[in-house]
Parts: sequence; C-alpha cells; structure tokens
Amino acid sequence: EIVMTQSPATLSVSPGERATLSCRASQSVSSSLAWYQQKPGQAPRLLIYGASTRATGVPARFSGSGSGTEFTFTISSLQSEDFAVYYCQQYNNKPPITFGQGTRLEIK
Amino acid sequence: QVQLAQSGGGVVQPGRSLRLSCEASGFTFSSCGMQWVRQAPGKGLEWVAVISSSGRTTYYADSVKGRFTTSRDNSKNTMYLQMNSLRAEDTAVYFCTKEISHDNWYFDLWGRGTLVTVSS
Repeated sequence: EIVMTQSPATLSVSPGERATLSCRASQSVSSSLAWYQQKPGQAPRLLIYGASTRATGVPARFSGSGSGTEFTFTISSLQSEDFAVYYCQQYNNKPPITFGQGTRLEIK
Repeated sequence: QVQLAQSGGGVVQPGRSLRLSCEASGFTFSSCGMQWVRQAPGKGLEWVAVISSSGRTTYYADSVKGRFTTSRDNSKNTMYLQMNSLRAEDTAVYFCTKEISHDNWYFDLWGRGTLVTVSS
C-alpha cells in the first residue's frame, strides 16, 4: 500500500496571499494524483487530477504540479471560500487507493 | 440534476448489520464504476470498496474485507453497501462516489454522506 504524506498539517495564510501545500508518496505514483477540497459538513470536491489538470469549473487560481513521489498544490491568491481541508489521493497503484491525512488551510 | 442520494445510516450495536444505499441520477449509472469512501469523526478519508460498472468486479479495503459487500442494481440506478459484523472502528460518515472515467479511481461526484455509528 502506498502511503501519502501531506505537509504541513496546518497552514495559516492571509487572504490574497499564496498558499503552497505538499504531498509525498512512499513510492512513485507517476502523475496519478488528485487533490480535493473539503469544507466542514460537506463532501470532498475534486479540484485537480493527473497531478496538474483542473477539474471542470475549478478556478484558475488553483494549480498542481509534480510527478513520481513529490507533488505541490498551490492557490495563487487566497479567497475567503478557500479556507478548508485539502487532501491528496493517489490512484496509480490500486487497490487500494490512498489519501493523505489532509492539510488544514486556515485564516491568518 | 447530477447527484448521488444516500440513505441507510444510523446507530447500530457492535456485531449487527446495516445496509447503505446510493441512488444515482443525471448520468448513465450503468456505465460508471462506483466506490465507497469513509471518514471517521474528525479524521481523514479512507477508501472502502469499489464496484465495476457491470457489478461483476469488486475490491475491498483490508479493514472491511469479509464483512462488507458492495453491490449494484443498474435497473434502479442504485449501489449498496451491506455492512455485517460492525465494529466501533467502523463509525464514520460513508460517502458514495462516482469514478470520473473507466478505471480512473478518482471521483468527480460525491454523495452528501451518511453517518454510521456503531455503539452499544
């Protein structure tokens, strides 16, 4: 089973600033990496797949990069609605698919 | 409207059974692989099970293998999760999800989730 490790656990950023989240895989997952956003009491929402492709309707301020074992998720200019928990998920080696433990993005 | 409507959660004693349902609408259900993901209170996401579009192929997380069974009825656009021999550690919100495309195990549509609480 591939272990996904996200850092930091919590990130405090001011609105309008840039946020950068990291995700590391215990072995290569190629570009088979997705990012989700989850707000309290809601289901996760797909933002990025294929490590860097934005899902339908996702604003351009969200971006992803990386391949192999190291991945980055960036929000270029934080809006109030972006404060949430973000999860990475690998789908290269399955089953099982595996998720990172999440990064909580909070208002500074 | 494209959506997944979930039902069947609740409070159940350890060792008992519960069945969850997930009814799809707004897309061609019979063409889509479907999966279950759960989230324990205050915790992260954990994959539970997958079922192929035809229903012939299923896989399970080791933590539920032998206790949980997923199935589907394409004539009713509905997927099910039969949960037997429930344990306290199965307490979680269970989400049904839709694969974005064949054999791509990431999810562009999620149900709202249903809470299962295993407690005496």
